[in-house]
Amino acid sequence: EPEVTQTPSHQVTQMGQEVILRCVPISNHLYFYWYRQILGQKVEFLVSFYNNEISEKSEIFDDQFSVERPDGSNFTLKIRSTKLEDSAMYFCASSEKLYTDTQYFGPGTRLTVL
Amino acid sequence: DAKTTQPNSMESNEEEPVHLPCNHSTISGTDYIHWYRQLPSQGPEYVIHGLTSNVNNRMASLAIAEDRKSSTLILHRATLRDAAVYYCILRDVIGGGADGLTFGKGTHLIIQP
Repeated sequence: EPEVTQTPSHQVTQMGQEVILRCVPISNHLYFYWYRQILGQKVEFLVSFYNNEISEKSEIFDDQFSVERPDGSNFTLKIRSTKLEDSAMYFCASSEKLYTDTQYFGPGTRLTVL
Repeated sequence: DAKTTQPNSMESNEEEPVHLPCNHSTISGTDYIHWYRQLPSQGPEYVIHGLTSNVNNRMASLAIAEDRKSSTLILHRATLRDAAVYYCILRDVIGGGADGLTFGKGTHLIIQP
């Protein structure tokens, strides 16, 4: 069964450093999402992406975040200058269509900012 | 998206049916009811969704009240692997789906062997 993959599984970085989290969505999917989950808290929507541009973003997705689909398979989340509070699990998801369609989530990248 | 209310936690025994309730009294006519679950240390996983009629799939059944103000996710025969946090989420078709899923705290389902 096709699945969303994410790399790395765990990323440790120093405060102020840039990190890039990578995702490979399911191949025929057109809509891509990033979510984050701070330890012990709810899963929070960050951004959705379709047709090579951002469709929607939450208040969390400020100027330090950016997303890109650099080629036909990868979808990346960049955090420009990490803060301690960026430590969280970051989940990538993809779906074939909007609205009623299922979102398939990856296993997540645990980001630890020291 | 309209708000949902779920119990914080529920406990059940292995191999017994589990009924997970969700209240959504402010649901609109264009809201689909989705259920996802999150197993420990994993990403969320789709379970089932529906609009008005009851739905069945290989994982679960979804029973939707006639007035649509509540729904129940039914696991017919719970296993230890079903221990997870279950999220009931409304998705407005008209409002667009690109704004992502809004997760609440969900129901933490504990399965006793």
